[in-house]
Amino acid sequence: DAGVIQSPRHEVTEMGQEVTLRCKPISGHDYLFWYRQTMMRGLELLIYFNNNVPIDDSGMPEDRFSAKMPNASFSTLKIQPSEPRDSAVYFCATQRQYGTQYFGPGTRLLVL
Amino acid sequence: QKEVEQDPGPLSVPEGAIVSLNCTYSNSAFQYFMWYRQYSRKGPELLMYTYSSGNKEDGRFTAQVDKSSKYISLFIRDSQPSDSATYLCAMSNSNSGYALNFGKGTSLLVTP
Repeated sequence: DAGVIQSPRHEVTEMGQEVTLRCKPISGHDYLFWYRQTMMRGLELLIYFNNNVPIDDSGMPEDRFSAKMPNASFSTLKIQPSEPRDSAVYFCATQRQYGTQYFGPGTRLLVL
Repeated sequence: QKEVEQDPGPLSVPEGAIVSLNCTYSNSAFQYFMWYRQYSRKGPELLMYTYSSGNKEDGRFTAQVDKSSKYISLFIRDSQPSDSATYLCAMSNSNSGYALNFGKGTSLLVTP
């Protein structure tokens, strides 16, 4: 199994631009999580899905952030417009029910 | 104040030492306790998982949970340079689904 796949691995963009992060979960995993990691705040849950349905988006910082899961094989996290304070490492993680949560390699985002 | 507190370190020990890593938490509803290891520029990976109170041992690693004190620990025996990483505690409760609350992580360096 290839594990959780995230793209791009690195993204540098300018303030105000739209950023789209992508995640392909492990096959058969019906839970998908988006986390953000910064030095100041650590690893924080943004949103998670079960069977493609958003269950808890209380961690999404503001309306500039949106996440979708159109099918069981793909999810996106979009930031529009991006701001320098959005600079962080964004992780996607997936798991089966009662299973272990597996993390992807992360996307390093730098907003200038 | 975060629900999960963890000393960020860094912690530097010589090879072969016993390492003790700790977290405290405030939410008494937490029932599931995990330790993740994160190597530089990688995603976290699950190291140990404990349900409720008690001890769990896996090779050189021992996880302890003291719910009465809201305190969890990870012990590493005979530490190796390959153990050098950031260790994150994480916890959840049955009401939050599988959403994890993470500590900020403790950076560990094991020197040869």
